[in-house]
Amino acid sequence: GAGVSQTPSNKVTEKGKYVELRCDPISGHTALYWYRQSLGQGPEFLIYFQGTGAADDSGLPNDRFFAVRPEGSVSTLKIQRTERGDSAVYLCASSFGTGVGEQYFGPGTRLTVT
Amino acid sequence: DQQVKQNSPSLSVQEGRISILNCDYTNSMFDYFLWYKKYPAEGPTFLISISSIKDKNEDGRFTVFLNKSAKHLSLHIVPSQPGDSAVYFCAAREGNTPLVFGKGTRLSVIA
Repeated sequence: GAGVSQTPSNKVTEKGKYVELRCDPISGHTALYWYRQSLGQGPEFLIYFQGTGAADDSGLPNDRFFAVRPEGSVSTLKIQRTERGDSAVYLCASSFGTGVGEQYFGPGTRLTVT
Repeated sequence: DQQVKQNSPSLSVQEGRISILNCDYTNSMFDYFLWYKKYPAEGPTFLISISSIKDKNEDGRFTVFLNKSAKHLSLHIVPSQPGDSAVYFCAAREGNTPLVFGKGTRLSVIA
């Protein structure tokens, strides 16, 4: 079956602009996670959803970052007033639940802020 | 302060030999540990996991060992194959909290 998909695969934007990154999880997965991976680092947790609600958003770096999952499936990560330090690969993952078990990752969106 | 540390950024191994990737952690409350493999331009792929109530878990060529007293785990790949060349991430969690990842180790298996 289809895995986690993310669009766009690459996004180049100018400093100060607004961007939206989209994640389509595996069908039936109730939990959805966003991570950010900077060069030379491992993925860093941003936010996770259980269904439609954000169960934990403690990883969002500041209020320029926001994510939604209005129907409990597709999620959008929104970044306002982008800064060069936001440049990274943004990874989305989904799982059946939040209990122990693996998360399935998408290929990521590479965001470059110039 | 990094809670999960992979101190070797890279490792080279001959095909057919054993690859040993190491991971240390500082949070004694972590109760579940995972290894992910990542190829370029792809997302991380789950490889193997271990609960803190165990000290070993084996799946084919992959074995994870957990030493709770030392707060150390390792991934053994035997025999190593060229297709194993990738970046390997160690991750840990406490209960239902989000995964905490290490920085990764790049494994190169030389034919």
